Amino acid sequence: QLQLQESGPGLVTPSETLSLTCTVSGGSITSSGYYWGWIRQPPGKGLEWIGSLYYGASAYYNPSLKSRVTTSVDTSKNQFSLRLSSVTAADTAVYWCARQKGGGSFSFDFWGQGTLVTVSS
Amino acid sequence: QSALTQPASVSGSPGQSITISCTGTSSDVGYNNYVSWYQQHPGKAPKLIIYDVSNRPSGVSNRFSGSKSGNTASLTISGLQAEDEADYSCSSYTITNTLYVFGTGTKVTVL
Repeated sequence: QLQLQESGPGLVTPSETLSLTCTVSGGSITSSGYYWGWIRQPPGKGLEWIGSLYYGASAYYNPSLKSRVTTSVDTSKNQFSLRLSSVTAADTAVYWCARQKGGGSFSFDFWGQGTLVTVSS
Repeated sequence: QSALTQPASVSGSPGQSITISCTGTSSDVGYNNYVSWYQQHPGKAPKLIIYDVSNRPSGVSNRFSGSKSGNTASLTISGLQAEDEADYSCSSYTITNTLYVFGTGTKVTVL
């Protein structure tokens, strides 16, 4: 069974960079046909897609966050990561990593448990 | 690209059927059949319950069904049960530069 687990600081200082890592077990991030994505949900609000990456190809980002987002992959650890720069209180949210079906569906079928990141001094 | 529009809340009694709408545009919901629905219980991760408008992943109850007409997708929960009380969000691929968009979310209450 595929499992994903987010890790990273739960508290980030305003203007600094938020960094999260997603460790994948039970499957490989190099598997064809799947993207690996990040989604967030501010307290009391709806889900927001941050971006997705496909191993060996380009990453795709939400235009509203694109200037501040970077993603990367570490195949040796079966991990992928998110970096969000210049954070503000508006970036406070639960962040999830998830597997995204390719081939047209684009649905997120496996999710991590999520991690709350608070931006505060 | 704005979020897809869903009603803030929908309620029903046990055993009843309810329908949640998800309204987008011709650039997203109306453009393709890549609409998905997620169920989210408090403090938990979303769970995929419908993909590609009307397909259910393995293990998802057949009480959940999806459909689409024009720019509006719908999720129907039949035989409503207490365990169905949760938040539900739709999503869609979009041909705008946003690429992927979620709905505003709907809270389902079982009376």
